[in-house]
Amino acid sequence: AQSVTQPDIHITVSEGASLELRCNYSYGATPYLFWYVQSPGQGLQLLLKYFSGDTLVQGIKGFEAEFKRSQSSFNLRKPSVHWSDAAEYFCAVGSGGSYIPTFGRGTSLIVHP
Amino acid sequence: NAGVTQTPKFQVLKTGQSMTLQCAQDMNHNSMYWYRQDPGMGLRLIYYSASEGTTDKGEVPNGYNVSRLNKREFSLRLESAAPSQTSVYFCASREGHNEQFFGPGTRLTVL
Repeated sequence: AQSVTQPDIHITVSEGASLELRCNYSYGATPYLFWYVQSPGQGLQLLLKYFSGDTLVQGIKGFEAEFKRSQSSFNLRKPSVHWSDAAEYFCAVGSGGSYIPTFGRGTSLIVHP
Repeated sequence: NAGVTQTPKFQVLKTGQSMTLQCAQDMNHNSMYWYRQDPGMGLRLIYYSASEGTTDKGEVPNGYNVSRLNKREFSLRLESAAPSQTSVYFCASREGHNEQFFGPGTRLTVL
């Protein structure tokens, strides 16, 4: 069975600082990987996704993520965080054999001015 | 395109009352999902529909029923609401193994 771990429940950064949110997955074959963002009171919105090819993927709002098969990781990064990035971030993994993506528990990002 | 729409946005029920949460998508997606989100619990899948005419239980189906009315619409029914069903409910749709598109959510309180 596939699983997703987001080890950090909360992360606090200062505005302008760099950011890395961790995501580790468990799945036998090459997974489909996603990062979503949820602003307060809103639904989830896709930031970026990885299916195959270049392991460094670019997303919206200046985010990027790198797929590392050897580490079973798909960490999300941003070089300079803005106050508007404060939100909940979810990593998800899908597979070719299932219609049900698996979500991590989420990481809450707090941005200090 | 409106994407995924959900009604109502907010609802307060008394224990034992029933209600139906509506969801519609205009992207011609085959798969649709209902999740609940509770603090510290992430998203939990209630039911999903891989394609029109099929529905399957997810992780937390007890106390809920669903109907895939047509390709566009997927409703969630609470027959006898309980305080434990106080939550935020999200509908999502998806085509194949691509990303899911989420609605804005329904905030339900059961007193």
